[in-house]
Amino acid sequence: GAGVSQSPSNKVTEKGKDVELRCDPISGHTALYWYRQSLGQGLEFLIYFQGNSAPDKSGLPSDRFSAERTGGSVSTLTIQRTQQEDSAVYLCASSVSYNEQFFGPGTRLTVL
Amino acid sequence: ELKVEQNPLFLSMQEGKNYTIYCNYSTTSDRLYWYRQDPGKSLESLFVLLSNGAVKQEGRLMASLDTKARLSTLHITAAVHDLSATYFCAVRMDSNYQLIWGAGTKLIIKP
Repeated sequence: GAGVSQSPSNKVTEKGKDVELRCDPISGHTALYWYRQSLGQGLEFLIYFQGNSAPDKSGLPSDRFSAERTGGSVSTLTIQRTQQEDSAVYLCASSVSYNEQFFGPGTRLTVL
Repeated sequence: ELKVEQNPLFLSMQEGKNYTIYCNYSTTSDRLYWYRQDPGKSLESLFVLLSNGAVKQEGRLMASLDTKARLSTLHITAAVHDLSATYFCAVRMDSNYQLIWGAGTKLIIKP
């Protein structure tokens, strides 16, 4: 498809386990963003990647969170030693330069 | 620090009525976005406003931007139930890819 895709769509895990969330941006989009959205809340910025520049990690809430983007395309957000407060929907978006961001469907993470 | 405030945060209205959602931001910016989010869904881009006085319309929704007042409005004309959703505004920080998001306005339109 032509849009942003994310996998898995739902992830249930036990407290203390590690999880990996994947994002496939729109082809040709140089910028990729990760956000977190708790139930009924707004978007919390986590990290963004732009081309070959160093990522802006200023929104990552703790050192348990990390992300990488391989080959300027696919990105993986990793959460280590998950906690219940990590439960949320994780949204990925991509854009061409400063233009509007296109969002994927999100991954709903539930930590038991 | 760039801050974005939306109001109201919650709005319940009757079909056929008009209403406006406001988005204020605290420092200069050259780009403002409006997005829509349906329950359980992702965000959909509605409008991108690039310059002072910009006005864009799509169906019953019209967005405008006043960069001097640091204010954008999203006006709903003759609301219909299908417009029920949460609406977010987001502002781009100058020379930065990051967007600063408002908290969202949950709009419920009753038949």
